[in-house]
Amino acid sequence: DTEVTQTPKHLVMGMTNKKSLKCEQHMGHRAMYWYKQKAKKPPELMFVYSYEKLSINESVPSRFSPECPNSSLLNLHLHALQPEDSALYLCASSQGDGYSTDTQYFGPGTRLTVL
Amino acid sequence: AQSVAQPEDQVNVAEGNPLTVKCTYSVSGNPYLFWYVQYPNRGLQFLLKYITGDNLVKGSYGFEAEFNKSQTSFHLKKPSALVSDSALYFCAALSPRGWGKLQFGAGTQVVVTP
Repeated sequence: DTEVTQTPKHLVMGMTNKKSLKCEQHMGHRAMYWYKQKAKKPPELMFVYSYEKLSINESVPSRFSPECPNSSLLNLHLHALQPEDSALYLCASSQGDGYSTDTQYFGPGTRLTVL
Repeated sequence: AQSVAQPEDQVNVAEGNPLTVKCTYSVSGNPYLFWYVQYPNRGLQFLLKYITGDNLVKGSYGFEAEFNKSQTSFHLKKPSALVSDSALYFCAALSPRGWGKLQFGAGTQVVVTP
């Protein structure tokens, strides 16, 4: 089963709010990823976790804060976002260590709207 | 620099006709190549990938892709398109030294008409 789940499906927040996105996989994958996707555009990599440690940060603003509490769970904490941060946020996981060439499997995404 | 090109923003095809979505790449070394499909308001679904070996790769939902090293292409094909194949298709490449960073093409919208 190649399933990655994400909650919530939709999120509307104000610029002063603090919220979190959650991603979960039970495939035993060792790498987890956060992507940001604007409408009709390809996903843009934000963060990569390998064995629960942050291995890649693509110069993402500090108002996005990732967290990997355990090997199955990945969170993205949001604070003081801007309207331009509105997008579909995708989580993915892969079997290898994040530096490998394994297939990345994506979750359904969280549609974020910042007012 | 690595890049993946999908030259067509949109491909229109009648149901039952063959479908081809084009992809070319410029990646150092021997890249791993992927195709993903995205339905509206959904995540990306993995279709197939090429690592090495046979140049024709078979994937999910009747899709296949042909790897051509001399033309640096990896075109996605389906012999007979369905209306339900209407979606956004992404080609992606991963360099063996790419630290897991997928390089995506811009995407091609496929519209299959009844």
